Amino acid sequence: TQLLEQSPQFLSIQEGENLTVYCNSSSVFSSLQWYRQEPGEGPVLLVTVVTGGEVKKLKRLTFQFGDARKDSSLHITAAQTGDTGLYLCAGRRGVSSGNTGKLIFGQGTTLQVKP
Amino acid sequence: KAGVTQTPRYLIKTRGQQVTLSCSPISGHRSVSWYQQTPGQGLQFLFEYFSETQRNKGNFPGRFSGRQFSNSRSEMNVSTLELGDSALYLCASSDFYEQYFGPGTRLTVT
Repeated sequence: TQLLEQSPQFLSIQEGENLTVYCNSSSVFSSLQWYRQEPGEGPVLLVTVVTGGEVKKLKRLTFQFGDARKDSSLHITAAQTGDTGLYLCAGRRGVSSGNTGKLIFGQGTTLQVKP
Repeated sequence: KAGVTQTPRYLIKTRGQQVTLSCSPISGHRSVSWYQQTPGQGLQFLFEYFSETQRNKGNFPGRFSGRQFSNSRSEMNVSTLELGDSALYLCASSDFYEQYFGPGTRLTVT
């Protein structure tokens, strides 16, 4: 059972276009993180959202955490070729000491931005 | 601060052998988690160590084990390697909410 469903799985767009990646679950998460990963490398943390309804902006990237803390989205404005990569959402179920380290990952969205 | 380091970066082993991977977390981080990443299954949680104790464990067979030392460095071991163990093994260190990943160790089992 995949607790975090990411969509779309693949996205190929032209430079300058906008896009949105979705991360959905029927479970509540105490926090949600977005990562970007390049081939052969580890995921790089982009943002962490903690509060329901929270919106965070990182230059051309906008991240939103759903009010019920079950879903999140990543919106990229005016995509650039350097945005190409695998985008992963990852949720943490609880903040108790017994559940701090375990992240549940979505399947990932492979983004290709063409010049 | 230096990031998470993993050694070795690449490894080729034969079926039936065992392997040990090493991870040094970010200075000051006491939690270290390990993940397996494959094209078919994505990123799957293996286990987490905190202050030398295993705090969480994923759904992997007993051939996968780990440990953490007093300086927070961690190792994971896979015994009796199978072809399906070929993957990118990622280590992440945490300061509570956020996890920071190392570059991974690419293990190929032939």
